[in-house]
Amino acid sequence: QVQLVESGGVLVKPGGSLRLSCAASGFAFSDYYMSWIRQAPGKGLEWVSYVTSDGSYTKYADSVKGRFTISRDNAKNSLYLQMNSLTAADTAMYYCAREAGNHGLDYWGQGTLVTVSS
Amino acid sequence: QSVLTQPPSASGTPGQRVTISCSGSSSNIGSNSVNWYQQLPGTAPRPLIYNNNQRPSGVPDRFFGSKSGTSASLAISGLQSEDEADYYCAAWDASLNHWVFGGGTKVTVL
Repeated sequence: QVQLVESGGVLVKPGGSLRLSCAASGFAFSDYYMSWIRQAPGKGLEWVSYVTSDGSYTKYADSVKGRFTISRDNAKNSLYLQMNSLTAADTAMYYCAREAGNHGLDYWGQGTLVTVSS
Repeated sequence: QSVLTQPPSASGTPGQRVTISCSGSSSNIGSNSVNWYQQLPGTAPRPLIYNNNQRPSGVPDRFFGSKSGTSASLAISGLQSEDEADYYCAAWDASLNHWVFGGGTKVTVL
């Protein structure tokens, strides 16, 4: 069965950096675009970034452009999000999700919590 | 400010029908399919409707999605206590070239 498991979320100080990981299993990871979506405490869902199946193209929300980098390792069935220059506004649960055309974001991980605070 | 507009709340008594609206524009709902997600308290979003009106395996047929022009709706019939959750609409935006979400609607079962 399809599984997405995020990790790497911790408490980090403002200005700090963090790398999130998403381990995929149960499907042909290299065939799918992947996205990161975040949810600040008590708030709605915010799309953060996506990467094409071969990793050749990436896209970012304006709120994270220039600070976050999405990448993937298809040999390891893993998705990453490198987060730099973190601020309190980046505090959120971060989810990775599989994109499946008209099926939308059809599988989501359980999320990993990033807290930015001094 | 979310690109897609949803009412912040909706409510109904058990057995009633509740409808949630989602308003967008020509670059998102007007030209791409709409997906709906259910988020129970403390859990990750779960796909509920894809491609405007299709239900993934395991989603009860009490959930019905529709789309017309630049708006979409999610209807929940025969409301049950377990339907108390946040519901989000989403669509690909062709101008922004990424996914956009509604702000979410909290459904309360009275």
